[in-house]
Amino acid sequence: AQTVTQSQPEMSVQEAETVTLSCTYDTSESNYYLFWYKQPPSRQMILVIRQEAYKQQNATENRFSVNFQKAAKSFSLKISDSQLGDTAMYFCASRYSGAGSYQLTFGKGTKLSVIP
Amino acid sequence: NAGVMQNPRHLVRRRGQEARLRCSPMKGHSHVYWYRQLPEEGLKFMVYLQKENIIDESGMPKERFSAEFPKEGPSILRIQQVVRGDSAAYFCASSPRSFATNEKLFFGSGTQLSVL
Repeated sequence: AQTVTQSQPEMSVQEAETVTLSCTYDTSESNYYLFWYKQPPSRQMILVIRQEAYKQQNATENRFSVNFQKAAKSFSLKISDSQLGDTAMYFCASRYSGAGSYQLTFGKGTKLSVIP
Repeated sequence: NAGVMQNPRHLVRRRGQEARLRCSPMKGHSHVYWYRQLPEEGLKFMVYLQKENIIDESGMPKERFSAEFPKEGPSILRIQQVVRGDSAAYFCASSPRSFATNEKLFFGSGTQLSVL
């Protein structure tokens, strides 16, 4: 079984600043995928970034990047140049890559507020 | 290309009534996944369906809950004799092929079920 832990229930950041959201996970699998999803007030879950565990290079999507530490089972999200539209709940999630690997396991989320 | 459509957006039921939640996947998607989000929690997998088939319902409560994805029409999540503990946001996601093949999941905006 996989578990995902987000230890920061809430965070805030000034507009244009950088913020890092923490995520740790536990899995016995050797290959898996890690995700960050954004849930704005509209409630729709939006994929922010995805990391494949076998890739050592950290994934990057524009202002969003991850710090993937496989040995420490850590997967933090860095948001640079924060914008007001980044205000949302952020969920870390994992999925192993074996048979039946269509289930995402989510953390409890971090509520991020971007302050003007 | 319209996204994943869920309706209703909000549903209020009294204890003992039935709730029917609908999900129309994105065009061309034949794989549907239902997740439930309890207050202050991350999303939890409930069931995975392909057209006319339930592939995995390991996350579904054994009683009162059922899901279908007919050949024609939307996927339906049905909750019979609702109780207050069923109050949650129910999300549907879809993919063109199994998520296990590394496809991207597309989520709807969810249905918020409130049981009085």
